[in-house]
Amino acid sequence: NAGVMQNPRHLVRRRGQEARLRCSPVKGHSHVYWYRQLPEEGLKFMVYLQKENIIDESGMPKERFSAEFPKEGPSILRIQQVVRGDSAAYFCASSGLNGNTIYFGEGSWLTVV
Amino acid sequence: AQRVTQPEKLLSVFKGAPVELKCNYSYSGSPELFWYVQYSRQRLQLLLRHISRESIKGFTADLNKGETSFHLKKPFAQEEDSAMYYCALKSGSGPQKLVFGQGTRLTINP
Repeated sequence: NAGVMQNPRHLVRRRGQEARLRCSPVKGHSHVYWYRQLPEEGLKFMVYLQKENIIDESGMPKERFSAEFPKEGPSILRIQQVVRGDSAAYFCASSGLNGNTIYFGEGSWLTVV
Repeated sequence: AQRVTQPEKLLSVFKGAPVELKCNYSYSGSPELFWYVQYSRQRLQLLLRHISRESIKGFTADLNKGETSFHLKKPFAQEEDSAMYYCALKSGSGPQKLVFGQGTRLTINP
């Protein structure tokens, strides 16, 4: 029973490039959450998605960031035209319908050079 | 507004000493409170949730609604307890986002 799978684990991008982070939730989970962890800081909520729907994107920066969770395939967090300040660990989490327990992935570490 | 405050960014104690990591929350309804632990550059793992009232790895936490606190305690710290600890809040049952505190880095000295 695989947990939340994220890839890539580490990603290096030059300023101005695009970063795509993928998250496969726990099998059977239909709710996905993305969090960002800046160096030496806590986790900040970014977006909450269900299949094909964005439920809450109150934590998403207004520009350059987008997220999707299609009917088939993993959830994708996309960052366009990356800047140095985007360097962080991006954690994905998932839960089932009851939402009682939220499971986290191992994170994707983005470094912008 | 939902808010979780962990006043101590760093906490260092000696092995065998008691540990208390503080967590205060702000929420007008009936929240669900959690403690997550993150070992170096690994995924967050659920340590405790207040509604289950269980003890994991010797840690306990009691929800005090009067003081709006959910402090994490362990009577005798062990070196393997060194990690980052996050207190988190969920505004009720069902699938909802977690709001995290800033985290406390616990270091257990030998």
